[in-house]
Amino acid sequence: DAKTTQPTSMDCAEGRAANLPCNHSTISGNEYVYWYRQIHSQGPQYIIHGLKNNETNEMASLIITEDRKSSTLILPHATLRDTAVYYCIVRGNNAGNMLTFGGGTRLMVKP
Amino acid sequence: GAVVSQHPSRVICKSGTSVKIECRSLDFQATTMFWYRQFPKQSLMLMATSNEGSKATYEQGVEKDKFLINHASLTLSTLTVTSAHPEDSSFYICSARSLIYGYTFGSGTRLTVV
Repeated sequence: DAKTTQPTSMDCAEGRAANLPCNHSTISGNEYVYWYRQIHSQGPQYIIHGLKNNETNEMASLIITEDRKSSTLILPHATLRDTAVYYCIVRGNNAGNMLTFGGGTRLMVKP
Repeated sequence: GAVVSQHPSRVICKSGTSVKIECRSLDFQATTMFWYRQFPKQSLMLMATSNEGSKATYEQGVEKDKFLINHASLTLSTLTVTSAHPEDSSFYICSARSLIYGYTFGSGTRLTVV
């Protein structure tokens, strides 16, 4: 699976949009971009995933560039409860593929 | 949605004893289960992959005789840390994969070996 690069940490003001970038320049055509987050001392929580089109759900939006070499996770109105480590993961859709976690971005939402 | 129950959430054990951690998919059948370990301020590291009824596949550097994985049914996998030592103290997390729900994670088990 392709490697991803994310900033180590980011701050965001409460109520503002949080935009978390991810580079995945070696992504191949059949690989999806997944986002998970991990709140302190809990298991990871699924947020969203996409292949090439932008995606939106009740939690977030995922913007994937046309060349698919990078993406941005958008939390439209960050709250204090969104403080967590956010992981961008690229993987193929084969049944045996596991999720490989990189360092992630530690997002701190501040009042 | 899919729920994975992991138990216990916290355990303290004496050095040299064994600890069993359970991971159950509550409302779905998991084709594959994964076990991760996470040390403080680090990311999740995959330890092993297990499929129901077959032997687990361990990642390089993970001792299969120390971390025993049993995946006896499509809804239950267990990880037993045998002869635990203080360096085994960590946060252990399981994940269950299904075709319908993708990957769902348990809430983790904080193991402290004293």
